[in-house]
Amino acid sequence: DSGVTQTPKHLITATGQRVTLRCSPRSGDLSVYWYQQSLDQGLQFLIQYYNGEERAKGNILERFSAQQFPDLHSELNLSSLELGDSALYFCASSVEGGSGNTIYFGEGSWLTVV
Amino acid sequence: KNEVEQSPQNLTAQEGEFITINCSYSVGISALHWLQQHPGGGIVSLFMLSSGKKKHGRLIATINIQEKHSSLHITASHPRDSAVYICAVRGSNSGYALNFGKGTSLLVTP
Repeated sequence: DSGVTQTPKHLITATGQRVTLRCSPRSGDLSVYWYQQSLDQGLQFLIQYYNGEERAKGNILERFSAQQFPDLHSELNLSSLELGDSALYFCASSVEGGSGNTIYFGEGSWLTVV
Repeated sequence: KNEVEQSPQNLTAQEGEFITINCSYSVGISALHWLQQHPGGGIVSLFMLSSGKKKHGRLIATINIQEKHSSLHITASHPRDSAVYICAVRGSNSGYALNFGKGTSLLVTP
């Protein structure tokens, strides 16, 4: 158990819909990362938040957005869903946001768009 | 072309064998991570390296910064080591984003 909690674990939704994925980081971790893993693209970094502020942005679509709340939990919002958005979405956390920190991954949220 | 290349893509070994998985990258990095992903999907961080060598149990990770290459070794492999092993790098100029390899799928048979 990494200490990172993601909900829901599985989600099936229709094209055009909007979903929210939730992540609670390990206790004491200030930095939260979101990653997408699809069969064709592999793992891709989406976005990072540190102590409530966006720190780094990767290959995140404009239809996707994220935020980190004062209690440090984070949400990833996916809207106008397309079939290609079907993937495993991981949240990870670390104590700080620097390169010297171990990153702890959640179990992932499986999203299926039909 | 991906900035992070792993080899081999797939690997089958018999229990007890010594296993090596390689990772090459093309950019300057501030850190390299080795991750393990089990069939259920969960990812575990095995090592984070910026230089030298690290050992944890039967796992050893090395990195050669000049050659832009890292290796993950598993000694006395066991069926429970069967998983996908992923190399990820944090580029010196890419802030805090990780760039991932495609992974090496390892199957250890009894």
